[in-house]
Amino acid sequence: EAQVTQNPRYLITVTGKKLTVTCSQNMNHEYMSWYRQDPGLGLRQIYYSMNVEVTDKGDVPEGYKVSRKEKRNFPLILESPSPNQTSLYFCASSATGLGYTFGSGTRLTVV
Amino acid sequence: AQRVTQPEKLLSVFKGAPVELKCNYSYSGSPELFWYVQYSRQRLQLLLRHISRESIKGFTADLNKGETSFHLKKPFAQEEDSAMYYCALRSTGTTSGTYKYIFGTGTRLKVLA
Repeated sequence: EAQVTQNPRYLITVTGKKLTVTCSQNMNHEYMSWYRQDPGLGLRQIYYSMNVEVTDKGDVPEGYKVSRKEKRNFPLILESPSPNQTSLYFCASSATGLGYTFGSGTRLTVV
Repeated sequence: AQRVTQPEKLLSVFKGAPVELKCNYSYSGSPELFWYVQYSRQRLQLLLRHISRESIKGFTADLNKGETSFHLKKPFAQEEDSAMYYCALRSTGTTSGTYKYIFGTGTRLKVLA
């Protein structure tokens, strides 16, 4: 089944403790992206990647890192999480010219 | 500036009534526009692409370049249409040759029995 898989689905962590949210797609898509979804603000893009080793900042990249060492994986790294990064995170992938396939989301709480 | 505007946060209609979810965009090039739907506690799903001009679940959307709009329409709303709807624009990225997707803030559609 074609899909985007995110892990974990839920995560509670403490301020400053580094964490990684994984994202993997099995559709051989070149384009991958991370979004955060907050009430009243919709979806805001954090980072995106056009292909392996090609990444670029979205609208809200501060406090996040990404890497794209393999085509299928696009992990999101929070080196020192803060409470304002509490949010619902979505990973998505697409082939050129097509719309996104989204992951099921990761609900992150930073206390 | 490249922007997608969905002016309504909430739209309530009665079952069987027509629905129109508004989307306006600001983009200097030739736009590619999409509608996504998010049902309660589920992931976002692609609903429509303007390029394909398809009708999904009875929804249609026409790109109006003159009015820079891509409104989503359905002639007869169903209760199962209740969801969050997002309009999105594919635009150029910050680096030459890249692109990114810009989403509107979403409209929650409630279809009342």
